Amino acid sequence: EDQVTQSPEALRLQEGESSSLNCSYTVSGLRGLFWYRQDPGKGPEFLFTLYSAGEEKEKERLKATLTKKESFLHITAPKPEDSATYLCAVQSNSGGYQKVTFGIGTKLQVIP
Amino acid sequence: DTGVSQDPRHKITKRGQNVTFRCDPISEHNRLYWYRQTLGQGPEFLTYFQNEAQLEKSRLLSDRFSAERPKGSFSTLEIQRTEQGDSAMYLCASSLGGGQSQETQYFGPGTRLLVL
Repeated sequence: EDQVTQSPEALRLQEGESSSLNCSYTVSGLRGLFWYRQDPGKGPEFLFTLYSAGEEKEKERLKATLTKKESFLHITAPKPEDSATYLCAVQSNSGGYQKVTFGIGTKLQVIP
Repeated sequence: DTGVSQDPRHKITKRGQNVTFRCDPISEHNRLYWYRQTLGQGPEFLTYFQNEAQLEKSRLLSDRFSAERPKGSFSTLEIQRTEQGDSAMYLCASSLGGGQSQETQYFGPGTRLLVL
């Protein structure tokens, strides 16, 4: 069964203090790894899709990287508006339906 | 592109009542997904449609749950005889489908259900 483990569960940063969020995964054939941002009471907002080890993608202060066992979401010089829960999800190649499995997320708080 | 929309955004009901939620996917997206999310957890897959065909159902989807996608456009999720354990955020997502690079799922704002 596919598994996604995110760490830490919660992270508190000062504005401008860079850090990384971790997503470790176990999947029988990775079809894609996804990062989403979720604000309280709202649906997840798509950030990145990564397909193969070594791939990197960037958007503003965020950079996502992928290895064969984990993905990192690097946040450079975060601002208070980056406060949210960041969700990682994996899609596997196994079975007739390429199921997407989510982690429980990392709740990020950026303090001014 | 107006994104995925869901209606209603909030629903309060009494235990034993039936409720129905609607999802309108991004136009031209032929895949539609329903998820359930409880506080402090990630979204959990419920069911999936390719056009009008329901192709996969999770074990989480008990007999009280039914989903439809007539004509391959909008979808409805009905919960019969609601229980307090059904209280959650119900999320809908859609994707273009058709290949690895077209399977990113885009989510709607969700419907928050509270069963009293």
